Amino acid sequence: DTAVSQTPKYLVTQMGNDKSIKCEQNLGHDTMYWYKQDSKKFLKIMFSYNNKELIINETVPNRFSPKSPDKAHLNLHINSLELGDSAVYFCASSQVLGTEAFFGQGTRLTVV
Amino acid sequence: GEDVEQSLFLSVREGDSSVINCTYTDSSSTYLYWYKQEPGAGLQLLTYIFSNMDMKQDQRLTVLLNKKDKHLSLRIADTQTGDSAIYFCAALLLDTGRRALTFGSGTRLQVQP
Repeated sequence: DTAVSQTPKYLVTQMGNDKSIKCEQNLGHDTMYWYKQDSKKFLKIMFSYNNKELIINETVPNRFSPKSPDKAHLNLHINSLELGDSAVYFCASSQVLGTEAFFGQGTRLTVV
Repeated sequence: GEDVEQSLFLSVREGDSSVINCTYTDSSSTYLYWYKQEPGAGLQLLTYIFSNMDMKQDQRLTVLLNKKDKHLSLRIADTQTGDSAIYFCAALLLDTGRRALTFGSGTRLQVQP
C-alpha cells in the first residue's frame, strides 16, 4: 500500500529519445509535484500541480511536460532527452500546496 | 547564496548527539521540515515545526527554531549507525513565489561505530 509510487525505478535511454515516468498517489492529496535531484543531491522543484493549475519552475526546459489524467496521477514526459537530464526524479504529493510532501522512491534516469 | 543552506557533512560517534543546522532567507515561512534520505531511497519526512514554535521534541529528535536569525536545527540524541543518511531541511519560501517546498543542499551524517 505504497503511498506515492513511481515507475520505472531505473530508466536508461539514448540521447534524443522521448520517455515518460509515471506517478500515482493513494493518499487522496490535492497537490502533486515533480522534483529533480542532481548528482550532488540538490533537489529542485520542477512542477507543482493543484486543482488543474500547473505551476512551472522557470528553469525547467519546455522539453519536460507534466500530464495529469486525474488527481491521483501526475506523469512526467520528457522529449529529446539530453545527457544533462540524467538525474533522479522524485514525485511527491501533499494535502495542501506547499505543505509537508510525501515522496516516491525516485526514478534514476540515465541518458547515454 | 541559496535560499536554504546547510553544511554538507557531519561525522559523529555512535551514542553521541548530532546537531544539523540550517538557515533560510524567507521571513514569512510558516512550516519548516526535516527529511531523511537513505542511499537509493526516497525522502522520508522526519519532523516539522510551525513558525510560531521555538522547539519541538519527538522521541530522539529535537527541532529548534530561531526565527529572528532564521536558523533551524535538528538534534538527534544517542545517534545510531542506522541514522547515517542525508538530512534535508525544507521550507515553504513564500517570498520566492515558489509554491512548493524549497530544500537545502542536504547534510550527510556519518555515524562511526
